[in-house]
Order: sequence, then structure tokens, then C-alpha cells
Amino acid sequence: KQEVTQIPAALSVPEGENLVLNCSFTDSAIYNLQWFRQDPGKGLTSLLLIQSSQREQTSGRLNASLDKSSGRSTLYIAASQPGDSATYLCAIDSGNTGKLIFGQGTTLQVKP
Amino acid sequence: DADVTQTPRNRITKTGKRIMLECSQTKGHDRMYWYRQDPGLGLRLIYYSFDVKDINKGEISDGYSVSRQAQAKFSLSLESAIPNQTALYFCATSDRPFGSYNEQFFGPGTRLTVL
Repeated sequence: KQEVTQIPAALSVPEGENLVLNCSFTDSAIYNLQWFRQDPGKGLTSLLLIQSSQREQTSGRLNASLDKSSGRSTLYIAASQPGDSATYLCAIDSGNTGKLIFGQGTTLQVKP
Repeated sequence: DADVTQTPRNRITKTGKRIMLECSQTKGHDRMYWYRQDPGLGLRLIYYSFDVKDINKGEISDGYSVSRQAQAKFSLSLESAIPNQTALYFCATSDRPFGSYNEQFFGPGTRLTVL
């Protein structure tokens, strides 16, 4: 059974710092991995999707990597801003079923 | 206008009441999903539908039922609500995998409280 873990659960950094959020998974047979952002009381916003055959995806200041052999993905945020404060969730679709398995999330606070 | 909408956004009800949560989408996607989010447990899949005639149970379907009225509409029902169904409920959609790789798009959520 696929399990997804995100560590740390919470992170606080000063504005301008580059940071890395981690996501690990137990079964390397994945279809895709998706990173989401969730603001308090709000829905999830899709940030990046990495296909099983890809190693990384980039969007603006965000870069997500995928290493299936080690069961890890990272989300790199460059030059963090207070507006980046949110909870970041990674989720895995193991078999093209659309059945996402979510991690618990990392709550990020970027201090001005 | 939002691509995925959910109604109501907030609902307080009592134990034993029947509740329906509705989801509509304008993205033209075939696939729709219902998740619930609980503190400490993350998001878990309740039901999913790949088209109007296809309904599938997710990880935690007990106590819930769904109806796919049209491609754009997917409703979640709690036949007899109980307090441990208090949670944040999300609807999501995705297109057929070819070309989109099942990227999912979420609605704003419905906060349900069962007293």
C-alpha cells in the first residue's frame, strides 16, 4: 500500500531564503506526483505535476524533482516571499486511476 | 467564474439528518472525485467517477453515497449524518489521462459540521 510522508510538518523561514520541501513515498511504481498549495480555509491549487518518466518540472520560482528509485520528491522554492506562506501537499497517483494518495503536508511560514 | 464550484460552502446539521453536497465543473472533464480532509489525517478519497455511468468507491466510502447527474455534476450524500463526518469536503476533476496525466483540479471545499 502506497504511503506518502512529508517532513517537516511545519517550517518557518525569513523572507528571501531558498527552501526545500520534502515528500517521500514507499512504492516507486507511480503514474505521477502532484504538488498542491492550500491556503487556510481554501481549496487546493495545483502547482506542478511530474509524470513518472520525468525528473523535474519548473514553474516560475518553483522547481519539483522526482527520484522514483529512492522514493523521494522535493519542491524547491526560490527567493521565498510572505505570499508563499501556505500548506504544501504532495500527492501520488499510483496507477492512472486518479486515486490520489496525499501526504500530511508541510505548513510554511515566510516571515517579512 | 471558478472552474469547480461546490455548494454549500458551509453547513451545520444535526445527527441523523440527510445532507447533500453538490459539485459542478465547467472544465469539461470526464473524471470527478470527492475527498474529505481531517486534521492529522490529510485528504482521503471517498468516491470517484470516470464518466456518467461509472461510479467507484474510494478509501472511505462507508456512510456516503454519490450521484453523477451529468458530466458536469457530481453530488455527495450523507444519508444519516454522524458527528465523525464533520470535516472539510473537496470535489476535484481531471481530464482523461492522455496528454494531461490526470492532473487534478479542486473546488473551494465545503465545511460540514455535524452536531
